[in-house]
Amino acid sequence: QQPVQSPQAVILREGEDAVINCSSSKALYSVHWYRQKHGEAPVFLMILLKGGEQKGHEKISASFNEKKQQSSLYLTASQLSYSGTYFCGTESGGSNYKLTFGKGTLLTVNP
Amino acid sequence: DAGVTQSPTHLIKTRGQQVTLRCSPKSGHDTVSWYQQALGQGPQFIFQYYEEEERQRGNFPDRFSGHQFPNYSSELNVNALLLGDSALYLCASSAGHWPPFVTSGGHNEQFFGPGTRLTVL
Repeated sequence: QQPVQSPQAVILREGEDAVINCSSSKALYSVHWYRQKHGEAPVFLMILLKGGEQKGHEKISASFNEKKQQSSLYLTASQLSYSGTYFCGTESGGSNYKLTFGKGTLLTVNP
Repeated sequence: DAGVTQSPTHLIKTRGQQVTLRCSPKSGHDTVSWYQQALGQGPQFIFQYYEEEERQRGNFPDRFSGHQFPNYSSELNVNALLLGDSALYLCASSAGHWPPFVTSGGHNEQFFGPGTRLTVL
């Protein structure tokens, strides 16, 4: 089942903060975050694992609430380069090793 | 170090035709996944290959088939093209054993290629 992302779109000024949320109706084993700029491939940002391990970007942080099956991506002191569409991909575990992506959150950072 | 590469970049076909898309994984990666991304949507998982076998499959009809070669490169074939098959097709690779996202050192990220834009007329 496709995770739900919120908000659908957000506009920031450079230096402002943003939070993007991803929630699933299924129990999650891991959450993967990607950023995609127009006409380009998605770029890996972060993996969060059940149990608390995470691996990813230096300037971007994220959380994973296993009980609520939710993850949030925190973008602080945003830069113009942060603009793009952010996708979360969820992995349910068991024998199901595939990512199911949300519809994305469009982030626009203006000067 | 070359990342994931895909060919061709763009392709235009007509309904009913067949198409083959190609992907070379990032150096050191042995697992290849294919995704379909419609305009304004997130990538949708088609299938995943490891050790030349299809290991996982999404909700796509049998018209979508694939192959992985001994050098880990992969092909996606789509038969009897429909207008609705028009999309960006993304290939992604990851490293390590099976399962693809789990290794003894922890999870491994998946890297995407630039995609092939398929237009069906």
